[in-house]
Amino acid sequence: QSVLAQPPSVSGAPGQRVTISCTGSSSNIGAPYDVHWYQQLPGTAPKLLIYRNSNRPSGVPDRFSGSKSGTSASLDITGLQAEDEADYYCHSYDTSLSWVFGGGTKLIVL
Amino acid sequence: QVQLQASGPGLVKPSETLSLTCAVSAYSISSGYYWDWIRQPPGKGLDWIGSIHHSGRTYYNPSLKSRLTISVDTSKNQFSLKLTSVTAADTAVYYCARRRDYGGNSDFDYWGQGTLVIVSS
Repeated sequence: QSVLAQPPSVSGAPGQRVTISCTGSSSNIGAPYDVHWYQQLPGTAPKLLIYRNSNRPSGVPDRFSGSKSGTSASLDITGLQAEDEADYYCHSYDTSLSWVFGGGTKLIVL
Repeated sequence: QVQLQASGPGLVKPSETLSLTCAVSAYSISSGYYWDWIRQPPGKGLDWIGSIHHSGRTYYNPSLKSRLTISVDTSKNQFSLKLTSVTAADTAVYYCARRRDYGGNSDFDYWGQGTLVIVSS
């Protein structure tokens, strides 16, 4: 069981909006430590998608956005596209375990 | 564009030592940042293994600390991982990555392609 909890899967039709949650505790997200998000396309390495809660690296479409409140964080994807189908992971620091990841959420584009 | 390339044996016998190397290009390890190992068991999520700073200071996952050694060779611009007494639970894709530190907060901005290591006799 991961320190950061994510739903195993979410789904949406092309053009729709989906939200992926990441729930932690007072020893990580609520400490407060930043949350980062990664996209892992099938058979590839993870790619940094959102850093420091809400910042997009160069080249990441503005359809992807992140937010954080209290002990939770969210990744929003608007205007869903087929190529967004991937696994998404949140990541933060935990005072007892060092750097921790969520269990991952599989995004299914219907 | 920073590139990382992990390499090492794809098959290790139980109780033996897993050794991997990550070669870094287009950036000098001596210039800064932290250099990390992360693994992903087949069909599962990501687990942070450990980290090394170019100065040689290391940070290990407490659950692996007794079996783990991470080292850096700045002359070859690479860093390495050694994990002793492996079991089937250590079977995973092993990624090397560059970690940016924001004074306690960190993200992984560049990742290698990953190398699959299977522990089996």
